[in-house]
Amino acid sequence: AQTVTQSQPEMSVQEAETVTLSCTYDTSENNYYLFWYKQPPSRQMILVIRQEAYKQQNATENRFSVNFQKAAKSFSLKISDSQLGDTAMYFCAFMKQGYGNKLVFGAGTILRVKS
Amino acid sequence: NAGVMQNPRHLVRRRGQEARLRCSPMKGHSHVYWYRQLPEEGLKFMVYLQKENIIDESGMPKERFSAEFPKEGPSILRIQQVVRGDSAAYFCASSPGTGGKDTQYFGPGTRLTVL
Repeated sequence: AQTVTQSQPEMSVQEAETVTLSCTYDTSENNYYLFWYKQPPSRQMILVIRQEAYKQQNATENRFSVNFQKAAKSFSLKISDSQLGDTAMYFCAFMKQGYGNKLVFGAGTILRVKS
Repeated sequence: NAGVMQNPRHLVRRRGQEARLRCSPMKGHSHVYWYRQLPEEGLKFMVYLQKENIIDESGMPKERFSAEFPKEGPSILRIQQVVRGDSAAYFCASSPGTGGKDTQYFGPGTRLTVL
C-alpha cells in the first residue's frame, strides 16, 4: 500500500517571499502520478500541479513548481512570490498510473501568507 | 464547461436518519470517486464508480453506506441511519478515464452534520 507523508503541519511565509512544502511517499510502483491540491478556507479542492513519475523534468505552473526526486521518493512544492490568496491547506497526493486509481493523500500542511 | 457539481452543499441530519449526497461529474467524464474528509484530517478514498458499475469500494464502510452511478442522472452516496461519527465533508471527484487523462477534478463538497 502507498503512503504519503507531509511532515510540516503548519508553515508561514511573508508576502512576496518563497516557501517550500515537503512531501515524501512510499511505494513499490514504478509508474505513478503525484499531485499537489490546495484547499482554501472555502474548502474547495483545487488542483495546483501534477507530475508524471516517468518525466525527469520538474513540473511548473506559473508561481508553483515542484522538486521531484524519484529515488528519494520526495515531491516538494515551491511557491514563489507568495500572495495572500495562497493561504490554504495544501495536500500532497499519490496515484498509481492507469485510469480508475484512487488518490492517496497526505495529512496536509497549513500555509499562512502574512502581509 | 461546468465543473463537478455536488448538492446539497450543507446537510444536517439527526441520528438515525438517512443522508443522500449527489454528484454530477464534469461533462465528458465517466469516472466518479467519493472521498471523505473528517475534521482536521486529509481526504480518504471511499468508492470509485463508472456508469452502472462499482469498480472499487475498498474504502467504504461495510454497513450503512452505499453508492451508485446510474445510467442517467448523478452519482448518489447514501448513508443510512447516520451517527455522529459520520459528520464530515464528502467530496466527489471525476476524471475522463481514457487517453491517459487520469487527473481527478473535485466538486465543492457536501458538509454533513449529524446532530
